Amino acid sequence: EPEVTQTPSHQVTQMGQEVILRCVPISNHLYFYWYRQILGQKVEFLVSFYNNEISEKSEIFDDQFSVERPDGSNFTLKIRSTKLEDSAMYFCASSDWQGARQPQHFGDGTRLSIL
Amino acid sequence: GDSVTQMEGPVTLSEEAFLTINCTYTATGYPSLFWYVQYPGEGLQLLLKATKADDKGSNKGFEATYRKETTSFHLEKGSVQVSDSAVYFCALSAASGGSYIPTFGRGTSLIVHP
Repeated sequence: EPEVTQTPSHQVTQMGQEVILRCVPISNHLYFYWYRQILGQKVEFLVSFYNNEISEKSEIFDDQFSVERPDGSNFTLKIRSTKLEDSAMYFCASSDWQGARQPQHFGDGTRLSIL
Repeated sequence: GDSVTQMEGPVTLSEEAFLTINCTYTATGYPSLFWYVQYPGEGLQLLLKATKADDKGSNKGFEATYRKETTSFHLEKGSVQVSDSAVYFCALSAASGGSYIPTFGRGTSLIVHP
């Protein structure tokens, strides 16, 4: 079964540094998403992306964050100047269409640790 | 706004015990309801879903029934196994203002002992 893959599995970064998290969505999917999960808390939506542009974003997704689809396969999340509170698991997800009935397919996540 | 409330964990059971994980929701409109499972070190996987009232989703021995009158979608399994140890997330997706982004609960950790 096709999978969403994320790299790296664990990223350790100094506060203030830039970090790029990478995702390869399922190949025929058109909608892409980033979520984060701070340890012990709920999964929070960050941003959705369709047709090479952001379709929706949450309050968490401020100017420090950006997303990009640099080629036909990768989907990246960049955090420009990391803060301690950015430490979390970051999940990428994709779906072939968007609707209330449509579940998303998630990657295994990248654990981001900010020191 | 939309929200999902799950029972707090961890839920600790012996193998072959009956499992219930409660989930209630608030939503405008008519949401679809989902249970996702997260095994250690992995991402969220769809476990089951129900898209309208009185629908029952089922998979791998797990079941949940969409109860509109009680706004609930409780997860049940008749006989749990050690391999069911994971975190379970209840979620809803509703056409709220044109957004279909799912809302997740906090997750309930299940620990099954041999």
